Amino acid sequence: GAVVSQHPSRVICKSGTSVKIECRSLDFQATTMFWYRQFPKQSLMLMATSNEGSKATYEQGVEKDKFLINHASLTLSTLTVTSAHPEDSSFYICSAPAGDRGRHEQYFGPGTRLTVT
Amino acid sequence: SQQGEEDPQALSIQEGENATMNCSYKTSINNLQWYRQNSGRGLVHLILIRSNEREKHSGRLRVTLDTSKKSSSLLITASRAADTASYFCAMDTGGGNKLTFGTGTQLKVEL
Repeated sequence: GAVVSQHPSRVICKSGTSVKIECRSLDFQATTMFWYRQFPKQSLMLMATSNEGSKATYEQGVEKDKFLINHASLTLSTLTVTSAHPEDSSFYICSAPAGDRGRHEQYFGPGTRLTVT
Repeated sequence: SQQGEEDPQALSIQEGENATMNCSYKTSINNLQWYRQNSGRGLVHLILIRSNEREKHSGRLRVTLDTSKKSSSLLITASRAADTASYFCAMDTGGGNKLTFGTGTQLKVEL
């Protein structure tokens, strides 16, 4: 089946630094990818839609200058958390829809645990 | 919030019993999907039901959809300890594959 990978799986950074998270579709092309964040024991909240070849679309309340998204190719999207603060500590998950294959489900990456100290 | 609501929030059952989770949502949907998440991991797609379908089966999973009540249920029959996970419903409202997730049900299946 299709696989979506994320790197790194876990990162600890100091307050004020920036962190880049990669999301790759390994055996299929994804013109669109989605970025979510998830707090402990809570649901996923969509942050933004990453579009290959165009700007990302951010959900209401998500700062685009803080969470920079770049869809560099048909298999790679990156999320950069700039000037990270402790409140940015969370579990970040990306997904890619199987829509390119005519289906509607999404394939999720394994997630990245970000801890800002 | 457009997030779906799920109940129960947590469910603890014995192996072999059935587990039922319910999801209610607020807007019209194209389809509704159920996902499973093991602790600290990504989500795995379980089953998708279209808005014009009322029931769907996949192995030990049975999903129902009532669009008039804007609700869905997921039934896991003959549960196993390995079914222990969080389960989320997700609504596809047709906005470019975007999904809106429910609040989730934490299922614990004990031996």
